[in-house]
Amino acid sequence: KNEVEQSPQNLTAQEGEFITINCSYSVGISALHWLQQHPGGGIVSLFMLSSGKKKHGRLIATINIQEKHSSLHITASHPRDSAVYICARSQGGSEKLVFGKGTKLTVNP
Amino acid sequence: DGGITQSPKYLFRKEGQNVTLSCEQNLNHDAMYWYRQDPGQGLRLIYYSQIVNDFQKGDIAEGYSVSREKKESFPLTVTSAQKNPTAFYLCASSIEAGDTDTQYFGPGTRLTVL
Repeated sequence: KNEVEQSPQNLTAQEGEFITINCSYSVGISALHWLQQHPGGGIVSLFMLSSGKKKHGRLIATINIQEKHSSLHITASHPRDSAVYICARSQGGSEKLVFGKGTKLTVNP
Repeated sequence: DGGITQSPKYLFRKEGQNVTLSCEQNLNHDAMYWYRQDPGQGLRLIYYSQIVNDFQKGDIAEGYSVSREKKESFPLTVTSAQKNPTAFYLCASSIEAGDTDTQYFGPGTRLTVL
């Protein structure tokens, strides 16, 4: 059983829609990472957060430590946002991240 | 420009052959990682290195080997002992080997064993 669960697995939206991707984890963490993987395969790190909320452009990441849950929101979605979004948790004292399986987002024009 | 390069992007090999995947970084990062990605699964850690001349097994190290002779290079060899080597391989680096450090990923190498 993967310790990091993402939902939905696939998401299709129309341009301009507000997007929410969810991530739940089962153990205490030191930080939660959100990453973006483009169709070519390259991965970029979007956020690392351990509490509250972070915002970068149209992307917003929130985390609720008590509920062991994080969300990634995309406002005014655009076709260029189409990608796989991956969350990963880190547990203090370890060098390893545990990754979710990813959410494939398709934004249609 | 600083970054991580992996070569080649696509690699084909016959079953039973060893193959080495290249990973180079010019970010001056101490830590480097190798991950494997399969369809429908999360990234899985193969090996990681915290510093030159040192490396540790990850969750799926069997059938793989690495070396870290230089800070900027962390090649991965997929040996014939790896039962199912066809996959997408990603290399990453971070300033230090802490899981709260941002990892920077290379573009990946897609290996197909025929």
